[in-house]
Amino acid sequence: DQQVKQNSPSLSVQEGRISILNCDYTNSMFDYFLWYKKYPAEGPTFLISISSIKDKNEDGRFTVFLNKSAKHLSLHIVPSQPGDSAVYFCAATYGSSNTGKLIFGQGTTLQVKP
Amino acid sequence: DAGITQSPRHKVTETGTPVTLRCHQTENHRYMYWYRQDPGHGLRLIHYSYGVKDTDKGEVSDGYSVSRSKTEDFLLTLESATSSQTSVYFCAISDRRQPRGYTFGSGTRLTVV
Repeated sequence: DQQVKQNSPSLSVQEGRISILNCDYTNSMFDYFLWYKKYPAEGPTFLISISSIKDKNEDGRFTVFLNKSAKHLSLHIVPSQPGDSAVYFCAATYGSSNTGKLIFGQGTTLQVKP
Repeated sequence: DAGITQSPRHKVTETGTPVTLRCHQTENHRYMYWYRQDPGHGLRLIHYSYGVKDTDKGEVSDGYSVSRSKTEDFLLTLESATSSQTSVYFCAISDRRQPRGYTFGSGTRLTVV
Protein backbone atom coordinates (compact mmCIF):
# COMPACT_ATOMS: atom_id res chain seq x y z
CA ASP A 1 0.00 0.00 0.00
CA GLN A 2 1.56 3.25 -1.18
CA GLN A 3 1.63 5.66 1.75
CA VAL A 4 3.07 8.49 -0.32
CA LYS A 5 1.73 9.06 -3.81
CA GLN A 6 2.74 11.28 -6.68
CA ASN A 7 -0.01 10.76 -9.20
CA SER A 8 1.54 12.72 -12.05
CA PRO A 9 4.42 10.78 -13.62
CA SER A 10 5.47 13.76 -15.70
CA LEU A 11 5.07 17.50 -16.08
CA SER A 12 6.19 19.84 -18.83
CA VAL A 13 6.36 23.61 -18.40
CA GLN A 14 7.82 26.55 -20.24
CA GLU A 15 10.89 28.30 -18.92
CA GLY A 16 9.94 31.21 -16.66
CA ARG A 17 6.55 29.79 -15.76
CA ILE A 18 5.53 28.11 -12.52
CA SER A 19 5.96 24.38 -11.96
CA ILE A 20 3.66 22.74 -9.44
CA LEU A 21 4.39 19.21 -8.32
CA ASN A 22 1.90 17.42 -6.11
CA CYS A 23 2.12 14.72 -3.48
CA ASP A 24 -0.52 12.97 -1.37
CA TYR A 25 -0.05 10.83 1.71
CA THR A 26 -2.26 8.51 3.69
CA ASN A 27 -0.48 8.06 7.02
CA SER A 28 -1.56 10.75 9.48
CA MET A 29 1.46 9.97 11.65
CA PHE A 30 3.82 11.60 9.15
CA ASP A 31 5.16 14.79 10.68
CA TYR A 32 7.99 15.79 8.36
CA PHE A 33 8.09 16.00 4.60
CA LEU A 34 10.94 16.44 2.16
CA TRP A 35 11.45 16.93 -1.55
CA TYR A 36 14.39 15.44 -3.39
CA LYS A 37 15.63 16.16 -6.87
CA LYS A 38 17.33 13.56 -9.03
CA TYR A 39 19.33 13.96 -12.20
CA PRO A 40 20.12 10.95 -14.43
CA ALA A 41 23.00 8.80 -13.20
CA GLU A 42 23.13 10.63 -9.87
CA GLY A 43 21.70 10.01 -6.44
CA PRO A 44 18.76 12.06 -5.17
CA THR A 45 19.69 15.33 -3.50
CA PHE A 46 17.77 17.21 -0.85
CA LEU A 47 15.78 20.20 -2.07
CA ILE A 48 13.44 21.49 0.62
CA SER A 49 11.49 20.24 3.62
CA ILE A 50 8.57 21.16 5.84
CA SER A 51 7.47 20.20 9.31
CA SER A 52 3.84 19.38 9.98
CA ILE A 53 3.60 22.35 12.33
CA LYS A 54 3.98 24.65 9.33
CA ASP A 55 1.93 25.09 6.20
CA LYS A 56 4.56 26.75 4.04
CA ASN A 57 8.31 26.80 3.66
CA GLU A 58 10.20 28.86 1.14
CA ASP A 59 13.76 28.68 -0.14
CA GLY A 60 14.55 30.92 -3.06
CA ARG A 61 12.57 29.79 -6.08
CA PHE A 62 11.22 26.76 -4.25
CA THR A 63 8.20 26.76 -1.95
CA VAL A 64 6.55 23.78 -0.35
CA PHE A 65 2.94 23.97 0.85
CA LEU A 66 1.39 21.51 3.27
CA ASN A 67 -2.33 20.95 3.69
CA LYS A 68 -2.66 18.54 6.61
CA SER A 69 -6.42 18.24 6.46
CA ALA A 70 -6.19 17.10 2.84
CA LYS A 71 -2.97 15.14 3.45
CA HIS A 72 -1.49 16.93 0.49
CA LEU A 73 1.71 18.79 -0.21
CA SER A 74 2.93 20.61 -3.25
CA LEU A 75 6.21 21.99 -4.50
CA HIS A 76 6.16 25.26 -6.42
CA ILE A 77 9.09 26.33 -8.55
CA VAL A 78 8.99 29.94 -9.70
CA PRO A 79 10.36 30.80 -12.17
CA SER A 80 11.16 27.43 -13.69
CA GLN A 81 14.53 27.04 -15.40
CA PRO A 82 15.81 24.40 -17.83
CA GLY A 83 18.25 23.22 -15.14
CA ASP A 84 15.26 22.26 -13.01
CA SER A 85 14.51 19.42 -15.42
CA ALA A 86 14.83 16.32 -13.25
CA VAL A 87 12.86 13.72 -11.35
CA TYR A 88 11.33 15.03 -8.14
CA PHE A 89 10.50 12.74 -5.23
CA CYS A 90 8.48 13.68 -2.21
CA ALA A 91 9.18 11.81 1.00
CA ALA A 92 7.62 11.59 4.44
CA THR A 93 8.70 10.40 7.84
CA TYR A 94 7.61 10.38 11.46
CA GLY A 95 9.23 9.98 14.83
CA SER A 96 11.03 12.19 17.26
CA SER A 97 14.58 11.47 16.17
CA ASN A 98 16.43 12.06 12.94
CA THR A 99 16.61 8.36 12.32
CA GLY A 100 13.10 7.75 11.06
CA LYS A 101 12.84 6.00 7.75
CA LEU A 102 11.87 8.02 4.71
CA ILE A 103 8.91 6.81 2.64
CA PHE A 104 9.08 8.03 -0.94
CA GLY A 105 6.55 8.68 -3.64
CA GLN A 106 6.86 7.37 -7.18
CA GLY A 107 8.46 10.52 -8.52
CA THR A 108 7.47 13.14 -11.09
CA THR A 109 9.65 13.90 -14.09
CA LEU A 110 9.74 17.63 -14.73
CA GLN A 111 10.75 18.98 -18.10
CA VAL A 112 11.33 22.71 -18.40
CA LYS A 113 11.39 23.81 -22.02
CA PRO A 114 13.55 26.78 -23.05
CA ASP B 1 29.41 16.43 -0.23
CA ALA B 2 29.06 13.80 2.46
CA GLY B 3 31.48 10.94 2.04
CA ILE B 4 29.39 8.11 0.70
CA THR B 5 30.44 5.92 -2.18
CA GLN B 6 28.87 2.91 -3.83
CA SER B 7 30.57 0.18 -5.78
CA PRO B 8 30.33 -1.01 -8.41
CA ARG B 9 28.54 1.71 -10.37
CA HIS B 10 27.33 -0.75 -12.97
CA LYS B 11 27.03 -4.51 -12.99
CA VAL B 12 25.56 -7.12 -15.28
CA THR B 13 25.05 -10.56 -13.83
CA GLU B 14 23.32 -13.78 -14.71
CA THR B 15 20.19 -15.13 -13.13
CA GLY B 16 20.96 -17.35 -10.16
CA THR B 17 24.33 -15.86 -9.31
CA PRO B 18 25.09 -14.10 -6.04
CA VAL B 19 25.82 -10.40 -6.14
CA THR B 20 27.15 -8.05 -3.47
CA LEU B 21 26.89 -4.28 -3.60
CA ARG B 22 28.98 -2.13 -1.31
CA CYS B 23 28.27 1.16 0.39
CA HIS B 24 31.11 2.98 2.12
CA GLN B 25 30.79 6.10 4.26
CA THR B 26 33.38 8.30 5.91
CA GLU B 27 30.89 10.24 8.05
CA ASN B 28 30.74 7.80 10.98
CA HIS B 29 26.94 7.72 10.77
CA ARG B 30 25.17 5.09 12.81
CA TYR B 31 22.27 4.66 10.37
CA MET B 32 22.62 3.43 6.81
CA TYR B 33 19.95 2.47 4.29
CA TRP B 34 19.57 0.56 1.03
CA TYR B 35 16.86 1.59 -1.45
CA ARG B 36 15.97 0.46 -4.94
CA GLN B 37 14.54 2.74 -7.58
CA ASP B 38 12.13 1.40 -10.18
CA PRO B 39 9.84 3.20 -12.64
CA GLY B 40 6.38 3.63 -11.19
CA HIS B 41 7.55 2.71 -7.70
CA GLY B 42 9.93 5.46 -6.75
CA LEU B 43 12.42 4.63 -4.04
CA ARG B 44 11.65 1.65 -1.83
CA LEU B 45 13.52 0.66 1.30
CA ILE B 46 15.17 -2.76 1.19
CA HIS B 47 17.10 -2.96 4.46
CA TYR B 48 18.61 -0.56 6.93
CA SER B 49 21.20 -0.67 9.69
CA TYR B 50 21.24 1.15 13.01
CA GLY B 51 24.72 0.08 14.03
CA VAL B 52 27.41 -2.52 13.58
CA LYS B 53 25.74 -5.92 13.27
CA ASP B 54 22.31 -4.29 13.78
CA THR B 55 20.08 -4.47 10.73
CA ASP B 56 16.39 -4.66 9.96
CA LYS B 57 14.10 -5.22 7.00
CA GLY B 58 12.41 -2.63 4.87
CA GLU B 59 9.35 -2.98 2.67
CA VAL B 60 10.99 -4.98 -0.14
CA SER B 61 13.51 -7.18 1.64
CA ASP B 62 12.68 -10.56 0.09
CA GLY B 63 15.66 -11.95 -1.83
CA TYR B 64 18.13 -9.59 -0.17
CA SER B 65 20.41 -9.80 2.82
CA VAL B 66 22.71 -7.21 4.38
CA SER B 67 25.71 -7.11 6.62
CA ARG B 68 27.44 -4.41 8.60
CA SER B 69 30.66 -5.53 10.23
CA LYS B 70 32.14 -2.02 10.38
CA THR B 71 30.53 1.37 10.86
CA GLU B 72 31.71 2.55 7.46
CA ASP B 73 30.57 -0.38 5.31
CA PHE B 74 27.07 -1.64 4.56
CA LEU B 75 26.83 -4.54 2.12
CA LEU B 76 23.75 -5.60 0.18
CA THR B 77 23.72 -9.18 -1.13
CA LEU B 78 21.41 -10.77 -3.64
CA GLU B 79 21.78 -14.43 -2.76
CA SER B 80 20.49 -15.67 -6.12
CA ALA B 81 19.82 -12.83 -8.51
CA THR B 82 16.54 -12.75 -10.45
CA SER B 83 15.43 -10.55 -13.34
CA SER B 84 13.00 -8.75 -11.00
CA GLN B 85 16.01 -7.46 -9.11
CA THR B 86 17.20 -5.50 -12.13
CA SER B 87 17.12 -2.00 -10.72
CA VAL B 88 19.13 0.99 -9.58
CA TYR B 89 20.26 0.62 -5.98
CA PHE B 90 20.96 3.57 -3.72
CA CYS B 91 22.65 3.67 -0.38
CA ALA B 92 21.90 6.51 2.02
CA ILE B 93 23.10 7.90 5.31
CA SER B 94 21.71 10.56 7.61
CA ASP B 95 22.32 14.11 6.44
CA ARG B 96 23.92 16.23 9.19
CA ARG B 97 22.88 19.40 7.39
CA GLN B 98 19.24 18.47 7.05
CA PRO B 99 17.39 17.07 10.05
CA ARG B 100 15.64 13.82 9.26
CA GLY B 101 16.91 13.76 5.70
CA TYR B 102 19.37 11.54 3.91
CA THR B 103 22.43 11.90 1.75
CA PHE B 104 22.44 9.40 -1.08
CA GLY B 105 25.23 7.69 -2.92
CA SER B 106 25.45 7.86 -6.70
CA GLY B 107 23.79 4.49 -7.16
CA THR B 108 24.56 1.08 -8.64
CA ARG B 109 22.79 0.06 -11.83
CA LEU B 110 22.31 -3.71 -11.69
CA THR B 111 21.11 -5.74 -14.65
CA VAL B 112 20.22 -9.39 -14.19
CA VAL B 113 20.10 -11.29 -17.50
